[in-house]
Amino acid sequence: EVQLVESGGGLVKPGGSLRLSCAASGFTFSSYSMNWVRQAPGKGLEWVSSISSSSSYIYYADSVKGRFTISRDNAKNSLYLQMNSLRAEDTAVYYCARARVEFSVVTAILNWGQGTLVTVSS
Amino acid sequence: QSALTQPASVSGSPGQSITISCTGTSSDVGGYNYVSWYQQHPGKAPKLMIYDVSKRPSGVSNRFSGSKSGNTASLTISGLQAEDEADYYCCSYAGSSTFVVFGGGTKLTVL
Repeated sequence: EVQLVESGGGLVKPGGSLRLSCAASGFTFSSYSMNWVRQAPGKGLEWVSSISSSSSYIYYADSVKGRFTISRDNAKNSLYLQMNSLRAEDTAVYYCARARVEFSVVTAILNWGQGTLVTVSS
Repeated sequence: QSALTQPASVSGSPGQSITISCTGTSSDVGGYNYVSWYQQHPGKAPKLMIYDVSKRPSGVSNRFSGSKSGNTASLTISGLQAEDEADYYCCSYAGSSTFVVFGGGTKLTVL
């Protein structure tokens, strides 16, 4: 069974930093593109970032480009999101997500974690 | 404002069929056959229901079907059941610059 378990969320002040982690199990982690998707309270889903299986290809939404950094450690079956210069509008539940990829394109999100809440507030 | 446009809400009675639309542009929905749909119940993580416009993952009921015409994709749920009441989101690949875009979500109410 595929399991994705996020951690690292919490309350942080504007301008602060936070590092999210995602522990993966139940599949060959090193074979899959991984993504972060967020959902602000009461709002819809927003794709944040994607990293290919070997970390060769990395993409970011414009809203987080230059502030967030996605990374992975295939030896530890783990995905990370380093979030700097946090803003109130970054407040959301952040989901770790396993992607289906075809020709280097993310075609669907196969599995989602339960999410970790990040609150940016003074 | 979301990149893909969905109706805010739809409703139907048990046993009926409903369709949720998802309108994008030639740069996303219309340009690629990589539209997916997700179901999300309150307080839960989303679940993949349709991928590649019309394919169903293993375990998803055949009451769920997807299609696309031009820049608009659609999710149809036939034989509505109470447990289908949830939020539904469409998603599309949008090229190497934007990469992935979601719709704003549609709340389905089963009357």
